[in-house]
Amino acid sequence: ETGVTQSPTHLIKTRGQQVTLRCSSQSGHNTVSWYQQALGQGPQFIFQYYREEENGRGNFPPRFSGLQFPNYSSELNVNALELDDSALYLCASSPKTSGGRNTGELFFGEGSRLTVL
Amino acid sequence: DQQVKQNSPSLSVQEGRISILNCDYTNSMFDYFLWYKKYPAEGPTFLISISSIKDKNEDGRFTVFLNKSAKHLSLHIVPSQPGDSAVYFCAASGPNSGNQFYFGTGTSLTVIP
Repeated sequence: ETGVTQSPTHLIKTRGQQVTLRCSSQSGHNTVSWYQQALGQGPQFIFQYYREEENGRGNFPPRFSGLQFPNYSSELNVNALELDDSALYLCASSPKTSGGRNTGELFFGEGSRLTVL
Repeated sequence: DQQVKQNSPSLSVQEGRISILNCDYTNSMFDYFLWYKKYPAEGPTFLISISSIKDKNEDGRFTVFLNKSAKHLSLHIVPSQPGDSAVYFCAASGPNSGNQFYFGTGTSLTVIP
């Protein structure tokens, strides 16, 4: 059984650039959530994707967008990068049999550490 | 607005003793709670969960207690082992959370051999 994998593991961008982060969900999981973890903070929910549609969104601006593909993998895109976007971006997958509320545990990848200069 | 709080940034415990990690929440609608452990350079890994219909859930050395009236939960690790040294996060969600889990800021546990 393959766990959640994320790429790239580290990257450096400059302010104003755009970035795409990728996530492959754990085998059998159809739901992917993205979290941002700033230094010294807990993970903060960005959004969740289920069946290729956004299924919940946290308090992040529209320049944070995402996609989910038919194989349940996902991308997080961030436009017009700001210095405060420097953080660890965590992808988590979970199984869900319907579009209802996620009450199961989340399985996290190792994260993509983004530094914005 | 931090809806889940872990007020102790760090905790040190002797090997073999009990570790107690605390978590408070402000949203009375939260009804499902998780604890995660995180090692450096790794993603968080699930430890144990509890729903609001229970006040205790146990899994091996790990026990989570929920006090709904106080909006407080705690994770007990007995006996503590050096391999338990990690950052522990509590997380909560409710029917109006929109599939979001709210995480605390974490407590760094060090178990001293």
